[in-house]
Amino acid sequence: GAVVSQHPSWVICKSGTSVKIECRSLDFQATTMFWYRQFPKQSLMLMATSNEGSKATYEQGVEKDKFLINHASLTLSTLTVTSAHPEDSSFYICSARGTGQTAYEQYFGPGTRLTVT
Amino acid sequence: GQNIDQPTEMTATEGAIVQINCTYQTSGFNGLFWYQQHAGEAPTFLSYNVLDGLEEKGRFSSFLSRSKGYSYLLLKELQMKDSASYLCAVRDRRELSFGAGTTVTVRA
Repeated sequence: GAVVSQHPSWVICKSGTSVKIECRSLDFQATTMFWYRQFPKQSLMLMATSNEGSKATYEQGVEKDKFLINHASLTLSTLTVTSAHPEDSSFYICSARGTGQTAYEQYFGPGTRLTVT
Repeated sequence: GQNIDQPTEMTATEGAIVQINCTYQTSGFNGLFWYQQHAGEAPTFLSYNVLDGLEEKGRFSSFLSRSKGYSYLLLKELQMKDSASYLCAVRDRRELSFGAGTTVTVRA
């Protein structure tokens, strides 16, 4: 149990366009979802935390107007990279945490590799 | 936030044992996790420690000393498939923060 999916798994887009990444908890209710970004050979950097039905809390240095996060239901969160630029090319990973048995661990999605040309 | 330190790289021989150390400083400790991450993939959960002591799970064991802000991950009977990055992550009251990861290379 406790499976998290992400879609798409990889995407290539042109500079200036927007890209939406979906994160779904398949078999549990995710009260909290986290979005991370990972550049090559670096660790995961937390971008934002979102609780269902609330506005996301962004980490310092992450532009909330550029990285739009929506967590409208207990099983779905989306990250939209607006006006993407080549420096936004990265590996984006979501993770989710629920309640009860799914409360103490964060379950990671498989990641989305974004390439902006 | 947390300061999490772990070695950048380690190399070991197939069948051997490797110990990856992790030190941390946190304002509100609420658990320490170890994850394995293969290149281009998301992290996968290995272990969780919240109390002092050793947690053993097959070939992998994890140790925690909260007073010293120290943990280690022990990998026994190394296999080629264990070549990966190992991430130490500390949770405070709100979030999980990751160390930079230790790249383990297993040689034949």
